[in-house]
Amino acid sequence: EVQLVESGGGLVQPGRSLRLSCVASGFTLDNYAMHWVRQAPGKGLEWVSGISWNSGSIAYAASVKGRFTISRDNAKNSLYLQMNSLRVEDTAMYYCVKDNGSYLDYHGMDVWGQGTTVTVSS
Amino acid sequence: SYELTQPPSVSVSPGQTASFTCSGDKLGDKYVCWYQQRSGQSPVLVIYQDSKRPSGIPDRFSGSNSGNTATLTITGTQAMDEADYYCQAWDSSTGVFGGGTKLTVL
Repeated sequence: EVQLVESGGGLVQPGRSLRLSCVASGFTLDNYAMHWVRQAPGKGLEWVSGISWNSGSIAYAASVKGRFTISRDNAKNSLYLQMNSLRVEDTAMYYCVKDNGSYLDYHGMDVWGQGTTVTVSS
Repeated sequence: SYELTQPPSVSVSPGQTASFTCSGDKLGDKYVCWYQQRSGQSPVLVIYQDSKRPSGIPDRFSGSNSGNTATLTITGTQAMDEADYYCQAWDSSTGVFGGGTKLTVL
């Protein structure tokens, strides 16, 4: 079964850091681009960041650029999101998502994890 | 930054056709995807590259994209289709989602 499992969420104070991890099973990560997508409570989906199959292309939403860093370890079938200088508005469910292509272009996001919750509050 | 606009809600009776619009500047020049998110669940890709259906998605789901508007159509809507629907496109390798449309099946 194709599956993505996120971990690393939790409660953190504003200004602190958190690192999310995502482990893939049932498929080989290194053929596909990967993304992080978040959803604040009661709100819509927001694309956060994406990384191409070989890490050669990386992109961020304007809202997180300069604070978040996406990375991957294909040997470990894993995706990561380092989140620094966290803000209250970063509070959301964070989904790890597989692209059905290798690059950050026109393909769809075809496998979604169950998400991990990040709460930023003092 | 690029923006996609969706109406907040759509209502249909079972068996009828539900249509969802997604508007953006020259959207027809981009590929559009559509995602279904049922309450309490993770999103599911239902249409990619404007009109293609992933494996396992019923053929009552169809999509089109032209000009400034993309459209998702559900023909013969069922109660199980009640969900939020999001359009998504790429702008300079950056992902953009619409605000979502809530489908109510009356």
